[in-house]
Order: sequence, then structure tokens, then C-alpha cells
Amino acid sequence: DGGITQSPKYLFRKEGQNVTLSCEQNLNHDAMYWYRQDPGQGLRLIYYSQIVNDFQKGDIAEGYSVSREKKESFPLTVTSAQKNPTAFYLCASSPPRRTGDQPQHFGDGTRLSIL
Amino acid sequence: AQSVTQPDIHITVSEGASLELRCNYSYGATPYLFWYVQSPGQGLQLLLKYFSGDTLVQGIKGFEAEFKRSQSSFNLRKPSVHWSDAAEYFCAVGISNFGNEKLTFGTGTRLTIIP
Repeated sequence: DGGITQSPKYLFRKEGQNVTLSCEQNLNHDAMYWYRQDPGQGLRLIYYSQIVNDFQKGDIAEGYSVSREKKESFPLTVTSAQKNPTAFYLCASSPPRRTGDQPQHFGDGTRLSIL
Repeated sequence: AQSVTQPDIHITVSEGASLELRCNYSYGATPYLFWYVQSPGQGLQLLLKYFSGDTLVQGIKGFEAEFKRSQSSFNLRKPSVHWSDAAEYFCAVGISNFGNEKLTFGTGTRLTIIP
């Protein structure tokens, strides 16, 4: 079955440490997204990518970085510059712009906590 | 910029009762509208979407939603809820010029079902 795989499901970070969250999709979608979810705040867009080797900042990009070297993969790095990284992180993907009536599909998320 | 308001943070209904979750959006053009559901610790699952045409849209699990342009609303309804409907529900709006490349989410409504 096609879908989006996020790993790990739980991740712990020490102060001052960078961590990378994995997101892989086999849906052949061009666009991929990273969201952060905090209680009571809904989902906020961190970064998104519409095509390989290209990505744009979302609403809360500070302290995060991404890469898009392959269509299937869109890893998110939470850097030490992100002062409040504890959250639930969701990855999503969607088909190309020309089929814009398709919704975003979501992975099952990674919960990041600070030790 | 677009915005989404879900005025009800938490709703409790009895099993078998009807349900309506409210969603109001702010956007200058015709929006793309979505309702997603999230079980604890999981990703988001699409319930239904509105892009154009009939303003009453049917979704999965017996849910429906009605787009009312005059009220800038897209309320979610279900005639008879089941205990398995307990979850968090998110309304989202996508800008119509580019399909669903960027979604703005509401802060969510947590639904509790009592026997």
C-alpha cells in the first residue's frame, strides 16, 4: 500500500543537539510538507517542497532545516537553535499542482521530547 | 492571508446524538476547504473536501459538510455519532490559486462521546 512513513515514532533530544526526523513517501507525490503540532494550536507549517531540490519556508521555519534530494524523501532537522522543540511533527505530501483538487496525505507523526 | 476559526475547543455529545462542528474561514477568493480527523498519537485522515460545485459534500464515516459562502462557514455534521468518532477534528483552508499547496489549519475541536 502507498503511504507516508515517518520515523522514529518517538525521539529524544539532549540540549544543544541536532536531530533529524525522517519522512518517506511512495505515493509519487511531488509536494511534501512538514508541520509542527502543539496542544491547542493546531498545525503550523514549517517547510514545504514542491519539487526536488527546491523548498520554501513556512510560517515557523526558524531553528529547522530541510533537504529534498529525492522525490520520495523530505527529512527535517531540528537544530539546537530551536529553543522549544518539544512537539508532535507531521509530514504530508500531495500530488502535483495540475491536479490541485487532491488533498494532502499525512504520516503518523514523530513525537520529539527534550531530555 | 487566509485564516480558520474553530470556535469550539471541546464538545461532548451522547452516543447516537447528532453532531455539528463549526468552522469559519477568512479568505478573499474561493477557498478549498477540508475537514481532517486525528486520533491520539496519529496522523490526520481526510474526512471530506470542498473545491467547487455542490455546496453539500459527503465524506467518509457518515460525515457531511456544507459550504456557505455568505457566512464564510464550512460546518461538519453527522446525524448519529458513534463512540469511535471520539477524536480531534481540524478544519483547513487552501488557497485556490495553487490548489492545496499551502493549508491553514484551525486549532481543532476535541470530540468526546459519552455512553
